[in-house]
Amino acid sequence: KAGVTQTPRYLIKTRGQQVTLSCSPISGHRSVSWYQQTPGQGLQFLFEYFSETQRNKGNFPGRFSGRQFSNSRSEMNVSTLELGDSALYLCASNLNPLGNNEQFFGPGTRLTVL
Amino acid sequence: AQSVTQLGSHVSVSEGALVLLRCNYSSSVPPYLFWYVQYPNQGLQLLLKYTTGATLVKGINGFEAEFKKSETSFHLTKPSAHMSDAAEYFCAVSEKDKIIFGKGTRLHILP
Repeated sequence: KAGVTQTPRYLIKTRGQQVTLSCSPISGHRSVSWYQQTPGQGLQFLFEYFSETQRNKGNFPGRFSGRQFSNSRSEMNVSTLELGDSALYLCASNLNPLGNNEQFFGPGTRLTVL
Repeated sequence: AQSVTQLGSHVSVSEGALVLLRCNYSSSVPPYLFWYVQYPNQGLQLLLKYTTGATLVKGINGFEAEFKKSETSFHLTKPSAHMSDAAEYFCAVSEKDKIIFGKGTRLHILP
């Protein structure tokens, strides 16, 4: 079974631009979660989607948004990029909604904002 | 509210020595607890998890962790460190439908 894939793996943008990141979960998994990882803050939860609906959202500004398609693939969008948005963005998939189940992580997209 | 505290952002041990990575949590209900490992340029991989039952949980690569409710701890141990264990380790607590991760501990293995 193929693992979680994220595209692109690396991205360089400038302040003010917007970016879209993509995540394809493991086949059959319907839950997709997004995290921002930075050296100072560690892993911070962005949001979770299950069956095309956002179930949970972390404490991030509205510039961060996401969606999930009928095939469970998910995209995350960040508008009006700021320098502080530079981070590794991780996607994780799960068979069912978050709970006591293991999450399967992708390799991440490293975003650099100049 | 849930929270996870990992003591020590960096831990160094000699190859062959005991590995101990500390994790304390707070949760208003019996928690589900996880340890994940992240190797360079990779995502996180589950090492082990505690849901219910036996409080000593064995995971992959020789790691284990013990859930101690009275101490609200879930420390990760390995009897003998190997060079391949060098990575970042994350403790996480899950309550209903949210998971909170600790800030991570980077484990360095000294030859």
